[in-house]
Amino acid sequence: DIQMTQSPSSLSASVGDRVTITCRASQAISNYLAWFQQKPGKAPKSLIYAASSLQSGVPSKFSGSGSGTDFTLTISSLQPEDFATYYCQQYNSYPYTFGQGTKLEIK
Amino acid sequence: EVQLVESGGGLVKPGGSLTISCAASGFTFNNYNMNWVRQAPGKGLEWVSSITSSSGYIYYADSVKGRFTISRDNAKNSLYLQMNSLRAEDTAVYYCARAGVPAAIVGSHFDYWGQGTLVIVSS
Repeated sequence: DIQMTQSPSSLSASVGDRVTITCRASQAISNYLAWFQQKPGKAPKSLIYAASSLQSGVPSKFSGSGSGTDFTLTISSLQPEDFATYYCQQYNSYPYTFGQGTKLEIK
Repeated sequence: EVQLVESGGGLVKPGGSLTISCAASGFTFNNYNMNWVRQAPGKGLEWVSSITSSSGYIYYADSVKGRFTISRDNAKNSLYLQMNSLRAEDTAVYYCARAGVPAAIVGSHFDYWGQGTLVIVSS
């Protein structure tokens, strides 16, 4: 199975900050990498797919990059609604696997 | 508007069975692969199972293989997960999610998710 490791596990930031979350795959997954945002008690929301493609309706403050084993999600100009937990997921091969999540909190 | 609405969750005893459903609307259901993902209380996301658009290919996580069965009824725009021999560790919110690419042959991301249905396995 492909292991997905996110860092950091938690992150404190202020409104207006720019933050970057990293996701590493245990083996190469090309660009079959997605990012999701989840708020407490809510379903995950798709942000990025194919490592860098923005899901329809998602603001351009979210961006993704990477290929192979190393990927990043960058959120610019944090707003209160951006504080949530973020997950990466590989869909290169079954079983699909998720990172453990990164909790983004307000400083 | 794409909508996925799960139902059928509830409290079940260990060793028991339960079938949960996902009603789809707002898109051509039989064009899309579908998926189940679960989330135990306070934990991360775990992929459970996937089924292709015509049910030709089915995949399961090792943790549920042999106990869970995914199926779909394209005439009813519905996705199902039959869960047998339930264990305490199956307690979770179960989400259905649509594949982002119609008629995907290779891996596809998930673009739309339902609101989830809670399954509690406890005596």
